[in-house]
Formats: sequence, C-alpha cells, structure tokens
Amino acid sequence: DAGVIQSPRHEVTEMGQEVTLRCKPISGHNSLFWYRQTMMRGLELLIYFNNNVPIDDSGMPEDRFSAKMPNASFSTLKIQPSEPRDSAVYFCASSFTGYSPLHFGNGTRLTVT
Amino acid sequence: SQQGEEDPQALSIQEGENATMNCSYKTSINNLQWYRQNSGRGLVHLILIRSNEREKHSGRLRVTLDTSKKSSSLLITASRAADTASYFCATNMDTGRRALTFGSGTRLQVQP
Repeated sequence: DAGVIQSPRHEVTEMGQEVTLRCKPISGHNSLFWYRQTMMRGLELLIYFNNNVPIDDSGMPEDRFSAKMPNASFSTLKIQPSEPRDSAVYFCASSFTGYSPLHFGNGTRLTVT
Repeated sequence: SQQGEEDPQALSIQEGENATMNCSYKTSINNLQWYRQNSGRGLVHLILIRSNEREKHSGRLRVTLDTSKKSSSLLITASRAADTASYFCATNMDTGRRALTFGSGTRLQVQP
C-alpha cells in the first residue's frame, strides 16, 4: 500500500493566485481529513469527509477555502485567492472510520508571497 | 481550540534514558491516540487507548490514561537517537465531532 499520497510536495505562489492541493487516500478508508500545521497554531482540522460527504467544515478559515471529494479515491483543497497568512503545511489523512487511527500523507508545504 | 496540551513542550535526554510526555485534555473522550512526527514528514500513529482502558503497551512504548484527571502519559523506555521527533496526543471526543483534535506536541531530542 502506497499510503496517503499528496501533491504537490511544495507550492510557492503569489498572493491572489489560486492554489489547489490534492490527496489520494488509502484504498478502503471511509474517512478523509484535511489538517493545517503552523508553528503558531499547531495542527488544525479544516474539514473531514465520511463516505465522500463533508461532515464538519467548521475549521475552514473562510470562504476562500473550499474542499471537494468527488469520489472515494480523490480529494482537493482549494484556496482562492491565496494570502500570505495561508502559508503552512497542509496534511491530508485517511482512516477506516472516524474513530480509527489516522494515516497521514507527507503534506504540502505552501508558501504564499 | 486545542483539546490536548502536552507537557513538557521540549525534552532533551541521553540515549538509554526514559522519556515521559504528558497530555491533558478538556472534554469526555472516546479514545486518545499518540502520534510521532519526524521533521518534514507526516504524523505516524503510535498507539490508541480507549476511554475504558487504563494502560497499554507497544514495544518500548507505555501509555496510561486517567479519565478522572483527563490526562494521559506516554513513556518511551531505553530511548534511542532515532526516537528524536515531535510527539502529539490527539483525542476523539465522545460525542459530536468525530475527528481527532491534536495537542501542541512535545519535541523530544535524544542525544547519542
């Protein structure tokens, strides 16, 4: 099993540009999570899906952020327009159920200048 | 807001010594999990302890849970330089949001 796969690994963009982060969860996992990690705020849950349906998006900072899961094997997190304060490492994780251990990807390091 | 808070924030020990990290949380939980993160990598699950369990072992890891005090500890015995990493506790709440809430982490440095 290849684990959770995230792309790109690094993204550098200018303020105002659209950014799309991608995630392929582990096959057979029913839950998918997007987290953001910064030094100041630690690991924050942005949104999680169960069986491709968004269950809790209360962590999404604002309307500039959106996430989709069109099928069980793919999810995207989009930021439009991006701002310097969005700079962080964004992690995708999947699990068999909402209470199971999470399997994390290696993250996307986003830098917005 | 973070559900779990780790203590200490940073810990430096010599190889062979034991490392103890503590975690406190605020609300009733279904389970508590510990994760490890090496620099530049994603988090890796170490151990899960359910709310009705008090102690769990996995190799050199020992986790305790005290639900009356809303606290947990992670003990790494006979530490190795390769144990150098950040360690996070995370909680699944008993009701409501079914997603892990992570603490702020403990940075462990094991000196060879």
